[in-house]
Amino acid sequence: EAGVAQSPRYKIIEKRQSVAFWCNPISGHATLYWYQQILGQGPKLLIQFQNNGVVDDSQLPKDRFSAERLKGVDSTLKIQPAKLEDSAVYLCASSVQGSRGTYEQYFGPGTRLTVT
Amino acid sequence: ILNVEQSPQSLHVQEGDSTNFTCSFPSSNFYALHWYRWETAKSPEALFVMTLNGDEKKKGRISATLNTKEGYSYLYIKGSQPEDSATYLCASWAESNYQLIWGAGTKLIIKP
Repeated sequence: EAGVAQSPRYKIIEKRQSVAFWCNPISGHATLYWYQQILGQGPKLLIQFQNNGVVDDSQLPKDRFSAERLKGVDSTLKIQPAKLEDSAVYLCASSVQGSRGTYEQYFGPGTRLTVT
Repeated sequence: ILNVEQSPQSLHVQEGDSTNFTCSFPSSNFYALHWYRWETAKSPEALFVMTLNGDEKKKGRISATLNTKEGYSYLYIKGSQPEDSATYLCASWAESNYQLIWGAGTKLIIKP
């Protein structure tokens, strides 16, 4: 079974530039998550999709971050414009279902973003 | 959103020794507790998902216990090996949040 794919693995940009991350979840997984992990902190959920609908985006900074999951399969997370504090690892995960937190999540390798 | 705390932040252990670390989470509205292992340059991978008070799960040399009434879980590693070096993350799902809340992790370094 292929795992969760993410690209790119690393990205360095200057502040005020734009960046996009791509994620392809495990086939058949209905739920897709984007997390932001800042060094020294736990992952923070940015957005959760169930198929192609948004379940939770309460912690997504919507003035600069956007995400979509067209056709309920792969997903793109965009930052425009980037700020220094966006430097972090962006993790994508998927699970069979997202309800009630009992399903383990399968993670991609993450994208390490550095904003200079 | 209530916090999940992990201690210690980092841990150096001699190869062959056993070790354990702690995850503390809010006990109110608790539903599930997850443990993940994250090796450098790899993807985080699930170790355990636990829901029942008093539950104990085991995978090889790694085991975990859960106390939902007092809000803590212990992860134990018996006879540490170099390949156990990783960051161990726990996350709690509560019905008040409807999402996993993650701790900052315990970074384990095994010294040969």
